[in-house]
Amino acid sequence: DSGVTQTPKHLITATGQRVTLRCSPRSGDLSVYWYQQSLDQGLQFLIQYYNGEERAKGNILERFSAQQFPDLHSELNLSSLELGDSALYFCASSVEQSPPDTQYFGPGTRLTVL
Amino acid sequence: AQSVTQPDIHITVSEGASLELRCNYSYGATPYLFWYVQSPGQGLQLLLKYFSGDTLVQGIKGFEAEFKRSQSSFNLRKPSVHWSDAAEYFCAVGEDSGGGADGLTFGKGTHLIIQP
Repeated sequence: DSGVTQTPKHLITATGQRVTLRCSPRSGDLSVYWYQQSLDQGLQFLIQYYNGEERAKGNILERFSAQQFPDLHSELNLSSLELGDSALYFCASSVEQSPPDTQYFGPGTRLTVL
Repeated sequence: AQSVTQPDIHITVSEGASLELRCNYSYGATPYLFWYVQSPGQGLQLLLKYFSGDTLVQGIKGFEAEFKRSQSSFNLRKPSVHWSDAAEYFCAVGEDSGGGADGLTFGKGTHLIIQP
């Protein structure tokens, strides 16, 4: 158990819908990262927040957004969902905002878009 | 652009045999290197990491990895595998580009199968 929690574990929804994935980092960690794992693209970095502020962006679509709240939990919002958004979404957390930092991953949320 | 290559998509090893999983990276700055393991339906568990210093690093579950700058490699090894080692293994690289943190860049993974 990494100490990073993610809810829900599974999510099934329809195309065009919007969903919110939630992540609570390990106690004391200020950085939260979001990743997408799909069969064709593998594991891809989406976005990072540090202490409530966006710090880095990866391959995140414009339909996707995230935020980190004062209690440091983070939410990833996915809208206008497409079939291709079906994937495992991981959250990771670390203490630092800059490398070298060790990222600890949550169990993931499996999103299925029908 | 940074990249990580894991040349072996699948590897089959007999229980008790030794294991080496390959990882090569392409980076411009100082890389920070990681190996993660993912069991079916599970998240990613950190096996070991290299930031600096001794190029041979020890991890959990009896794994070790060696950083070879001249070969741009960070191969994972285990002297004797157990059936419970069957999983997907990911090599990942982070970089200090001077502009702050970015997410990790992952390889495509190596699926390890253990034969009885």
